[in-house]
Amino acid sequence: TQLLEQSPQFLSIQEGENLTVYCNSSSVFSSLQWYRQEPGEGPVLLVTVVTGGEVKKLKRLTFQFGDARKDSSLHITAAQPGDTGLYLCAVFAKGGYSTLTFGKGTMLLVSP
Amino acid sequence: NAGVTQTPKFRILKIGQSMTLQCTQDMNHNYMYWYRQDPGMGLKLIYYSVGAGITDKGEVPNGYNVSRSTTEDFPLRLELAAPSQTSVYFCASSRNPDAEAFFGQGTRLTVV
Repeated sequence: TQLLEQSPQFLSIQEGENLTVYCNSSSVFSSLQWYRQEPGEGPVLLVTVVTGGEVKKLKRLTFQFGDARKDSSLHITAAQPGDTGLYLCAVFAKGGYSTLTFGKGTMLLVSP
Repeated sequence: NAGVTQTPKFRILKIGQSMTLQCTQDMNHNYMYWYRQDPGMGLKLIYYSVGAGITDKGEVPNGYNVSRSTTEDFPLRLELAAPSQTSVYFCASSRNPDAEAFFGQGTRLTVV
């Protein structure tokens, strides 16, 4: 069983459309991170959310941490081709390895 | 700052050959990690280190070995390469296990 379930797995949209991707778990976490991985590159941190119900904005990207701290969403407004990439959520799971656990990611393709 | 540097970027190996993937970081991070990324499978932890001289197995350690003689370097050794080790390998580092992870650009390895 995956600790983090991300949906959808793949999303192909036109420039200017809005979209939301999700990261869900049955476990409670003290914080959750979102990374973006562009083709041919390593993942890069976008944001860390730490408080239940927290909303953070990064230009056209809006991140929300669920009230119960079990899930998170990422909403992109007016997507652009530069938003293309793999979006990964990650958490630190106590009792596991001394590192972050990543979801499988949502692959986003934004066409002009 | 260079961050996390991996070499080589690409490599083709024949079955049974061995090689070392190099990873170095200049952020004085204690925690370092090796992941492999296969299409649709997310990032899987191979080995990690919590400091110089200390290493531990991750989720998929078979066929790999690591060493950590200095804070900066964390090489990954493949012995007797197999086609199942065809993948993209990422090295990462962080200040703490739940902190932001900084990734290298990856090594694309093909075993034929």
